Amino acid sequence: EVQLVASGGGLIQPGGSLRLLCAASGFTVNTHYMTWVRQAPGKGLEWVSVMYSDGSTYYADSVKGRFTISRDNSKNTLSLQMNSLRAEDTAVYYCARDLISNSVIGTTNYYYYYGMDVWGQGTTVTVSS
Amino acid sequence: EIVMTQSPATLSVSPGERATLSCRASQSVGRNVVWYQQKPGQTPRVLIYSASTRPAGTPDRFSGSGSGTDFTLTISSLQSEDFAVYYCQQYNNWPPWTFGQGTKVEIK
Repeated sequence: EVQLVASGGGLIQPGGSLRLLCAASGFTVNTHYMTWVRQAPGKGLEWVSVMYSDGSTYYADSVKGRFTISRDNSKNTLSLQMNSLRAEDTAVYYCARDLISNSVIGTTNYYYYYGMDVWGQGTTVTVSS
Repeated sequence: EIVMTQSPATLSVSPGERATLSCRASQSVGRNVVWYQQKPGQTPRVLIYSASTRPAGTPDRFSGSGSGTDFTLTISSLQSEDFAVYYCQQYNNWPPWTFGQGTKVEIK
């Protein structure tokens, strides 16, 4: 079964650090684009970070320089290291798989995006003193 | 960054009625829009991609349309299980991916 299980959330003081973990089963994380999305209490979805299959990483401006996405191929896991946490980082954090295919026509690589098709159940991060 | 604006914030609809949800992009995103459904306590699930394509498992009462900056999700005849929050997401020139703020479809 294709599945993601997120863990690592908790209550942390402002300025503190936390590491979220996302364990994948039924597929390998290093062959997919893997994303972190968060949802503040009563709010909508906010894209946080992505790691491409080639290892490239990108971040939302709101977390750039504070959060680091990484993966462990041997354990088939995705991580999000969160430093210098702020109250506004309080949210449920989801890991998700981006479903993408590509084709090469001539020398051009075309990508086709089908959405985030597998989601972890979410882990709650509360930043408060 | 492309901003996605959804309207209305809340839509009150009776079962069996038609629901029309809107999503507007701050600049053209072609047809690069995904619609998600999120029920309380659940994770989002893809309803529509490429603005109008239903993946396997999406009932045909859900339809998407639009291109450029204006997109619509239509639920032709609301069922009890359709009451949820719906989000649009653009993936033009990604990253970043950006979501709309959501439309809650509630029972009238």
